[in-house]
Amino acid sequence: DQQVKQNSPSLSVQEGRISILNCDYTNSMFDYFLWYKKYPAEGPTFLISISSIKDKNEDGRFTVFLNKSAKHLSLHIVPSQPGDSAVYFCAAEGGSEKLVFGKGTKLTVNP
Amino acid sequence: GAVVSQHPSWVICKSGTSVKIECRSLDFQATTMFWYRQFPKQSLMLMATSNEGSKATYEQGVEKDKFLINHASLTLSTLTVTSAHPEDSSFYICSARDARGFTEAFFGQGTRLTVV
Repeated sequence: DQQVKQNSPSLSVQEGRISILNCDYTNSMFDYFLWYKKYPAEGPTFLISISSIKDKNEDGRFTVFLNKSAKHLSLHIVPSQPGDSAVYFCAAEGGSEKLVFGKGTKLTVNP
Repeated sequence: GAVVSQHPSWVICKSGTSVKIECRSLDFQATTMFWYRQFPKQSLMLMATSNEGSKATYEQGVEKDKFLINHASLTLSTLTVTSAHPEDSSFYICSARDARGFTEAFFGQGTRLTVV
């Protein structure tokens, strides 16, 4: 049973436009959510996180939105840059230090 | 941000041999480290939680005797793949959290293991 779902395996956007990556979760015990960026053959790099007590967190070009009632979060990147091309993983945790990851969405930003 | 160093970044070994992968937190202490395995085009799957000074906690389906984890200090955890088989070929990644309680987990750069 997949507790964290990223239903879009890939996303392609034009440079300068907005990238929206989506993530759904099923476990209502999750109270902290993170986004990681990963390049091939490298470990994930932390991007941004949000606690369940908030509905939005912004850091530069990256904004994460959390809709607890829908058990849905999204990562917005604006403006998108070619260097943003990578696989983005959504992760969640609740009650323990274990992170549960989605399968990732491969973002391609075209020049 | 905090730095987690993983070594080696890639290794090729023969079937039946053992391989050790090291994970070090360079600028912070980590009471807990995590070991993940990533199959092609799939998510990171948690293999085990490594606790400093005590036995690791393995996820269901992960063979304890095959994937030996040692967390001897607050900055070092090792994963040893024993009697490696070609199906053990994968990308192994460690992560660590600062013992002071910061919630972000920082990841090593990963180790590509190929068993021939």
